[in-house]
Amino acid sequence: NAGVTQTPKFRILKIGQSMTLQCTQDMNHNYMYWYRQDPGMGLKLIYYSVGAGITDKGEVPNGYNVSRSTTEDFPLRLELAAPSQTSVYFCASSYSNGGLNQPQHFGDGTRLSIL
Amino acid sequence: ILNVEQSPQSLHVQEGDSTNFTCSFPSSNFYALHWYRWETAKSPEALFVMTLNGDEKKKGRISATLNTKEGYSYLYIKGSQPEDSATYLCAFPPTGYALNFGKGTSLLVTP
Repeated sequence: NAGVTQTPKFRILKIGQSMTLQCTQDMNHNYMYWYRQDPGMGLKLIYYSVGAGITDKGEVPNGYNVSRSTTEDFPLRLELAAPSQTSVYFCASSYSNGGLNQPQHFGDGTRLSIL
Repeated sequence: ILNVEQSPQSLHVQEGDSTNFTCSFPSSNFYALHWYRWETAKSPEALFVMTLNGDEKKKGRISATLNTKEGYSYLYIKGSQPEDSATYLCAFPPTGYALNFGKGTSLLVTP
């Protein structure tokens, strides 16, 4: 039972490079999320999706883009990497029938360093 | 942004002690209140999702209560063990679509 799978686990980028963080879930969850974790700041929501073809900005979306072409996949794109995007990124998913009364399931995280 | 506040920020107890933490959230337009346990170098794991005023949930030695009218939830750990050492997060969905997480309470239990 894979749950939420994130790749890669670690990555070092140079300033200005681009990359895509992959996230896939096999639980047929309709809601998916991307968070970043910065020391002392907790989890901040970057983008979320309530279903295939539907995405919306969270609290800290600048510098990121997402797409949701399938129920399973929710990739996060960094176009021009900046040092401020050094962080640990978590993808999560949940089932929702109209309210957030179901728990979120998290992937293992991607540790990204921008140098 | 409607904030979730957690206290204390950190806590250090001895094995066998019982302890509790507080989560405060806006009491208007309540949808649900989530608690997660986050061990170092791992990903957050759901403990409880609470939806009704007066709700009480229990999992082993960990329990939680909810007061939606005054906007707070308590998490209790009875007889703390070293394996309970983790950061405990609460989260609140201000719009019903996505969660706002608190900064967490970091618990250290020493033998």
